[in-house]
Amino acid sequence: DTAVSQTPKYLVTQMGNDKSIKCEQNLGHDTMYWYKQDSKKFLKIMFSYNNKELIINETVPNRFSPKSPDKAHLNLHINSLELGDSAVYFCASSQDLRGLAGGFGTDTQYFGPGTRLTVL
Amino acid sequence: SQELEQSPQSLIVQEGKNLTINCTSSKTLYGLYWYKQKYGEGLIFLMMLQKGGEEKSHEKITAKLDEKKQQSSLHITASQPSHAGIYLCGAFSRGTYKYIFGTGTRLKVLA
Repeated sequence: DTAVSQTPKYLVTQMGNDKSIKCEQNLGHDTMYWYKQDSKKFLKIMFSYNNKELIINETVPNRFSPKSPDKAHLNLHINSLELGDSAVYFCASSQDLRGLAGGFGTDTQYFGPGTRLTVL
Repeated sequence: SQELEQSPQSLIVQEGKNLTINCTSSKTLYGLYWYKQKYGEGLIFLMMLQKGGEEKSHEKITAKLDEKKQQSSLHITASQPSHAGIYLCGAFSRGTYKYIFGTGTRLKVLA
């Protein structure tokens, strides 16, 4: 059984289009994340939701909007796609945010397979 | 802000050779995670280290966290082509809600 799944796996689209990437986890976790992997393979966090509430919102363009209909889903919607949005986007989940505020970071994150977005 | 620096950036080894990848943090770590990413695929969790001096092994991969909890090493014994990929260390940034990743090490194993 897939723990964290993303759809689609590949997405090729034209500049200016609006697209969504879906993420689902069946681990019963409370927290979900979206990461962007740049061309140098460096992962940068974009958003984090805990119990459907936005916890982390890094400096990303307003064109990116996460939506969490329930704890098991965190979708990423991107408006007016630009060439620079081309990247691999990873979804992840963890049990909770325990230890994030300077405490003991013991929470393992489980990652989806990634969605390769290509904007032409 | 806390950063994780990995070395080397890339590594090419002959099959059967041993190798070591390092991850150095600018601040004390509260937990250090190692992941492997195969080309075009997602991240695979390898192991987590919590205590200073801790060492864990899985098959031919051994990871250690130093006593000061600012540096971790990942050692692969008798490397195989299946070990090829990108290795990432990760940790929760102290005092923030951030989970940060290292700069990554790209490993190629020649048959």
